[in-house]
Amino acid sequence: GENVEQHPSTLSVQEGDSAVIKCTYSDSASNYFPWYKQELGKRPQLIIDIRSNVGEKKDQRIAVTLNKTAKHFSLHITETQPEDSAVYFCAAGGSTLGRLYFGRGTQLTVWP
Amino acid sequence: GAVVSQHPSRVICKSGTSVKIECRSLDFQATTMFWYRQFPKQSLMLMATSNEGSKATYEQGVEKDKFLINHASLTLSTLTVTSAHPEDSSFYICSARDPGVPDTGELFFGEGSRLTVL
Repeated sequence: GENVEQHPSTLSVQEGDSAVIKCTYSDSASNYFPWYKQELGKRPQLIIDIRSNVGEKKDQRIAVTLNKTAKHFSLHITETQPEDSAVYFCAAGGSTLGRLYFGRGTQLTVWP
Repeated sequence: GAVVSQHPSRVICKSGTSVKIECRSLDFQATTMFWYRQFPKQSLMLMATSNEGSKATYEQGVEKDKFLINHASLTLSTLTVTSAHPEDSSFYICSARDPGVPDTGELFFGEGSRLTVL
């Protein structure tokens, strides 16, 4: 099956700084790459996703880039705020919509 | 967004007993649901794909006789941990996508169920 690697496992930034989380995947058939945010005690929620026919997607302070050749994708959060503090998971999926393989997660802490 | 509800949120059982966890889609019909297992400070590990009206598809390394999945209706999937042992203690979380929203792979997660096997 698919193997998704995610780095770093923890990330601390000052409020207002940018945060970058990187993921790689192994299965070239994967074509869907979402990012989920999980706050403490809550369920994961989708924050942004990208498909393999697109190299970059942006939604306000959040952007995702995809390099299909290298099989890696990244999450970029600009102007971070304390409420961005959470665990972020990258994932990869293929033809079966919803069948996702997740990275190990990144604990992001934004200090005020 | 779509709502997925899971029950129970916490369950404690004795070793050797079986435990059933329910996952319901409340405002949409889900022909497919997904069961994940999450270890402390670790990722969501896909266990199986639950298919309404047919057998579940298990991921490599997941024992189908240990983790029985039934998807008898379009709004309910159940995971039964059979003959549970302490190593089965974990956080189990289900998810589903809303087929009424085409071309999206977004998953909606349940609240999760914390299983503790004594």
